[in-house]
Amino acid sequence: AQSVTQLDSQVPVFEEAPVELRCNYSSSVSVYLFWYVQYPNQGLQLLLKYLSGSTLVESINGFEAEFNKSQTSFHLRKPSVHISDTAEYFCAVSEGSGNTPLVFGKGTRLSVIA
Amino acid sequence: KAGVTQTPRYLIKTRGQQVTLSCSPISGHRSVSWYQQTPGQGLQFLFEYFSETQRNKGNFPGRFSGRQFSNSRSEMNVSTLELGDSALYLCASSLVGHYEQYFGPGTRLTVT
Repeated sequence: AQSVTQLDSQVPVFEEAPVELRCNYSSSVSVYLFWYVQYPNQGLQLLLKYLSGSTLVESINGFEAEFNKSQTSFHLRKPSVHISDTAEYFCAVSEGSGNTPLVFGKGTRLSVIA
Repeated sequence: KAGVTQTPRYLIKTRGQQVTLSCSPISGHRSVSWYQQTPGQGLQFLFEYFSETQRNKGNFPGRFSGRQFSNSRSEMNVSTLELGDSALYLCASSLVGHYEQYFGPGTRLTVT
C-alpha cells in the first residue's frame, strides 16, 4: 500500500530565506506526485505535479519540486520565501494505475517570519 | 471557469442527527472524490464517484454514504452523527484520464 511521509510537521523560516519541505513516499508501482497548499479556512490548492517527463517541476509562484525515484522523494523547495507563503503544505501520491485516490502526508506548516 | 463549490460552508449538528453535504464539480469534470480532514488523522479518502457510480471507497463505516447525479454534482450523507465526525469535508473533482484533483473550499462540520 502506498504511503506518504512528510518529515517535518512545522518549518519556521525567515522571509527571503530558502526553504525545503521534505516528502518521501512508498509504493510498489509507478506513481504520480503532487504538492498542495492550504491557507487558513480554505480548501487545498494544487501547487505542482509530477506525472512524467522532466523530474524537476515548477510552479508559477517560484516553488519547485524534484522527483527522485531512487530515493522515493519529492521534496519541495523555494529559494526565497515571502510572508504570503505561510500556509500548510501537503504532499500527495496517486498510484500510476489510474483512478486511484490521493494519499496525503500529514502536512508541513510553513511559517515565514518577517 | 468556476471552481469546485461546496455547500454549506459551515454546519453545526447534534450527536445522532444526520447531515447531507453538497458538491458541484468544475464544469466538464465527471469524477468527484470526498475527503475528511481532521487534526489527528489528517486527510483521509472517503469515496469517489464517476458517472453516478461509486468507483472507490475508503475505510469508513457505512454511516458515510454518497451519490452522484447525472450532472456530476455529488452529495455525501453521514447518518447517526458522532462527535468524532467533526471535521472539514473536502470535495475534489477531476477530468477523465487526468490524475490531478481540484478541491473545493470544504464544509466545516461540527458535531456537539
